[in-house]
Amino acid sequence: DIVLAQTPLSLSVTPGQPASISCKSSQSLLNSEGKTYLYWYLQRPGQPPQLLIYEVLNRFSGVSERFSGSGSGTDFTLKISRVEAEDAGVYYCMQAIELPVTFGGGTKVE
Amino acid sequence: QVQLVQSGAEMKKPGTSVKVSCKTSPSTFTGYYIHWVRQAPGQGLQWMGWINPHTSGTYYAHQFQGRLTMTRDASIITAYMELSRLSSDDTAVYYCATSIGWGQGTLVTVSS
Repeated sequence: DIVLAQTPLSLSVTPGQPASISCKSSQSLLNSEGKTYLYWYLQRPGQPPQLLIYEVLNRFSGVSERFSGSGSGTDFTLKISRVEAEDAGVYYCMQAIELPVTFGGGTKVE
Repeated sequence: QVQLVQSGAEMKKPGTSVKVSCKTSPSTFTGYYIHWVRQAPGQGLQWMGWINPHTSGTYYAHQFQGRLTMTRDASIITAYMELSRLSSDDTAVYYCATSIGWGQGTLVTVSS
């Protein structure tokens, strides 16, 4: 199974400041057609996860431009340009290039 | 907007089975695979498998093979996840999800 290692485990950020979360994969998430199946989710307390970023850098519908994704191969990053109070929760990366689908362990942002 | 509405919380005894439903919309049912993901209390996300509602084809994560069954009823655009031989380790919130939306979650508590 593909292992996704997220760092840091937790992050305390002052509103208005940037934040960055890393996700490293145990193998490349790039397929033969040039697509990279790496996703980012935010789970607010008591809520199901919501999709933020798909295929490394594409913001899902309605997601703030403050969120951006980057990376390639095995190393990926989620950045929040200016953290707001509503951004608090646990962020997960997920890979879907190979079954089983796997998630990173999560990064708690406070 | 994707709508996935799950059945209510369940309390089960060890060794029994639970069946969770996930009602979708017609466009979701025909357009997307439905995944099941669970989250134990205070823990991360664990993918269980998927069902193709169009064909009923399934894929189960290896750790659940033999006790996990995913089905669907096209007439009521509903997907089901049944997990058997429950133990306390199966206590979790179970989510159905597509690539663009998640259900609200169903808490399954396994306790004697």
